Amino acid sequence: AQSVTQPDIHITVSEGASLELRCNYSYGATPYLFWYVQSPGQGLQLLLKYFSGDTLVQGIKGFEAEFKRSQSSFNLRKPSVHWSDAAEYFCAVGADDYKLSFGAGTTVTVRA
Amino acid sequence: GAVVSQHPSWVICKSGTSVKIECRSLDFQATTMFWYRQFPKQSLMLMATSNEGSKATYEQGVEKDKFLINHASLTLSTLTVTSAHPEDSSFYICSATNPSGYEQFFGPGTRLTVL
Repeated sequence: AQSVTQPDIHITVSEGASLELRCNYSYGATPYLFWYVQSPGQGLQLLLKYFSGDTLVQGIKGFEAEFKRSQSSFNLRKPSVHWSDAAEYFCAVGADDYKLSFGAGTTVTVRA
Repeated sequence: GAVVSQHPSWVICKSGTSVKIECRSLDFQATTMFWYRQFPKQSLMLMATSNEGSKATYEQGVEKDKFLINHASLTLSTLTVTSAHPEDSSFYICSATNPSGYEQFFGPGTRLTVL
């Protein structure tokens, strides 16, 4: 079965600074990888996804992620954080049975 | 496109009553829907997979008689929490897959509070 590790529980970043959220996955075959963002009391919004092809994936809101098979990683980055980026971020891996396994999440706090 | 709705968005009920939550795919046909549960400050835990016209498949540890799932059409799945108790209070989120199957589209969630 697949699994996801998000090593950072909480990250605080200054507005305008860069952000990187780590995600490591475990899956025997080629994974389907996703990053979602969740604001308090809300559902999940898809930021970006990787199925195949170019390992650098561009998403919405200025986010990007890079799939590194050798490191089993799919880290999320944003060059310049806005206060509205404060939220909970989840990395997820999908398998051939279409199920998703989610990481524990990383809470991002943005300070002025 | 690919919008999923949930109803109600929040519900408060008394202990011992049953609560039904609806999940609808508004602009696509969803052959598979998923139900998740999320406790405060925690991640999403998959409860069950629901395929149209067949019985739901429950994850280990999820009581199928407690959480009844019905997927009667390609656009509607329902989750009924039977004889709800305070420990069932949680945020319930559904998702639906598009025809390719590998991407899930999530509903906005339903906050259940059992008194």
